[in-house]
Amino acid sequence: EDKVVQSPLSLVVHEGDTVTLNCSYEVTNFRSLLWYKQEKKAPTFLFMLTSSGIEKKSGRLSSILDKKELFSILNITATQTGDSAIYLCAALVYNQGGKLIFGQGTELSVKP
Amino acid sequence: GAVVSQHPSWVICKSGTSVKIECRSLDFQATTMFWYRQFPKQSLMLMATSNEGSKATYEQGVEKDKFLINHASLTLSTLTVTSAHPEDSSFYICSARDSSKYEQYFGPGTRLTVT
Repeated sequence: EDKVVQSPLSLVVHEGDTVTLNCSYEVTNFRSLLWYKQEKKAPTFLFMLTSSGIEKKSGRLSSILDKKELFSILNITATQTGDSAIYLCAALVYNQGGKLIFGQGTELSVKP
Repeated sequence: GAVVSQHPSWVICKSGTSVKIECRSLDFQATTMFWYRQFPKQSLMLMATSNEGSKATYEQGVEKDKFLINHASLTLSTLTVTSAHPEDSSFYICSARDSSKYEQYFGPGTRLTVT
């Protein structure tokens, strides 16, 4: 059975800290790994990783995929209270219309 | 670009009634749309994959007669929750896949409360 597992499930840090969120997957017909940030409403897209070992960056956020070990990490440096959210990773599969299989999410809380 | 809308954004209905939720891709064609349900403090659970012009593919454990999906055009999919019960109260999110790519774009979600 396909599965995506995130850790930790929740995390509390202080502003300025650096955090690393983990995502491992066991998925057949794997194509890509996606990261989303969810606040009150629907998820907003952060990164899509298809190739192994190539870091993607956007401001204070960065992410990388290891297709040999089947995991990805999302790093957030110099965290701010606005980073508080649920971070979701999802595996995109080739078949079945390209569906996404989501992990449980990591709830990040950044304290002032 | 790549905007997906959902309507309504929230709805309250009585037990036993049916509710229809619309998902539209506003500026691209979506051969495939996906419907998710999310309970508080939980992740998104895929309910079904909706393909334009054909029957939806439901995930295991999702009742197709209760959650009717219609994808009649390349820009519109609808989810009808029939004979709603309080346990159907949830946040329903759709996503649309751009026909020319693998990227999916999420709608803003619909919060359903069944009383």
